This record gives sequence, C-alpha cells and structure tokens, in this order.
Amino acid sequence: ETGVTQSPTHLIKTRGQQVTLRCSSQSGHNTVSWYQQALGQGPQFIFQYYREEENGRGNFPPRFSGLQFPNYSSELNVNALELDDSALYLCASSLASGSEQYFGPGTRLTVT
Amino acid sequence: DQQVKQNSPSLSVQEGRISILNCDYTNSMFDYFLWYKKYPAEGPTFLISISSIKDKNEDGRFTVFLNKSAKHLSLHIVPSQPGDSAVYFCAASERNNNDMRFGAGTRLTVKP
Repeated sequence: ETGVTQSPTHLIKTRGQQVTLRCSSQSGHNTVSWYQQALGQGPQFIFQYYREEENGRGNFPPRFSGLQFPNYSSELNVNALELDDSALYLCASSLASGSEQYFGPGTRLTVT
Repeated sequence: DQQVKQNSPSLSVQEGRISILNCDYTNSMFDYFLWYKKYPAEGPTFLISISSIKDKNEDGRFTVFLNKSAKHLSLHIVPSQPGDSAVYFCAASERNNNDMRFGAGTRLTVKP
C-alpha cells in the first residue's frame, strides 16, 4: 500500500509568480485536503476535494485554488505569490470526508 | 482566530515517566478531537482520537482525556519512550465539517 506522496519536496519562487504543488493520495482514498503550515504554527485548512469537487474551504483567498483528478490525485495552485505564502504545504488523504486523514511529507515553499 | 491552543511549546520528560500534553479549545461546537504526532521531514501521523460523547479513550500507552465543561483535552503517554520524541498536534473539528483546526504543537523530548 503506497502512502501519500507530494512533489516537489521544496521549491523557491519569486513574489508575484504562480506555483503548482502535487499530491498523490493513498490507494483507495477519494478525499484530499490541503493545509498550510507556517513556521511555529499548526497546519491551517485550505480546502478539501471529494470525488473531484471542492468540499469545504478554509479562510484562504481565491488565488489559492485546487483540482482533483479522476485517480484522486490533487493539485494546489497559488497565484500572485506573496512573501507570507512561504510555508510547508501538507496534503492529506482519507477514505471519506470526515474520516481519519493520512498526511504526506509536505512541500516547503519559499517565496522571495 | 486561534480556536485550538497548545500553550506549552515544549516538554521534556525522563524515559519511563508519564508525559502529559495539554490542549484547550474555544469553539463549543467542536465534537471530534484528535492528536497527531510529527517527526522532522515527515507529515503528521494520526495517533488517537475522541468524540465528545466520551471523556476518555485509551490505546496502548496513549490515553486522551476530554473535559467538555473546561474545553480541555490532554494526551497521556505512559511509559514515555525516547522514540516518542516528536511534535504533537492537537486538532478539533465539528463532525462532518472538513475544517479541522490544529494547535501550534508541543515538542516532546523523552530523555533516556
């Protein structure tokens, strides 16, 4: 059984650029949630996708968007990057919305 | 707004003794609580959960206690082992609500 994987591991972007982060969910999981973890803080919920539809969103602006594909893998897109977007981005998959989540190792994004 | 708080950024315990990690929440609508453990360079790993209809849940060395009137929960690890050294996150949500709120984490160090 393959766990949750994320790519890339880390990347550096310039303010104003756009970035796409990727997540492959655990086998059999149809729900993916994305979190932002700033330094010294806990993960903050960005949004969740269930069967390719957005299924809940946290307090993040529209420049944070996502996709889920038929194989349940997912992307997080961030447009017009700001310095405060520098963080660890975590993806978590689950069998269904509301059930136990399994996290990937994260992508560390640095915006300069 | 920080609805889940872990007021102790760090805790150091001797091997074999009890570790007690604390968490407070403000939202009375939360009815599902979880603890996650995170090692460096890995995503958070689910440890134990409790629903609001219970006041205690035990799994091996790990026990979570919930005090709804005080809006407080705690994680007890007995006996503590060096391998337990990690950052522990408390999280809470309303059942069937995808917006899980995390505390800032407590770094536990278990000394041999």
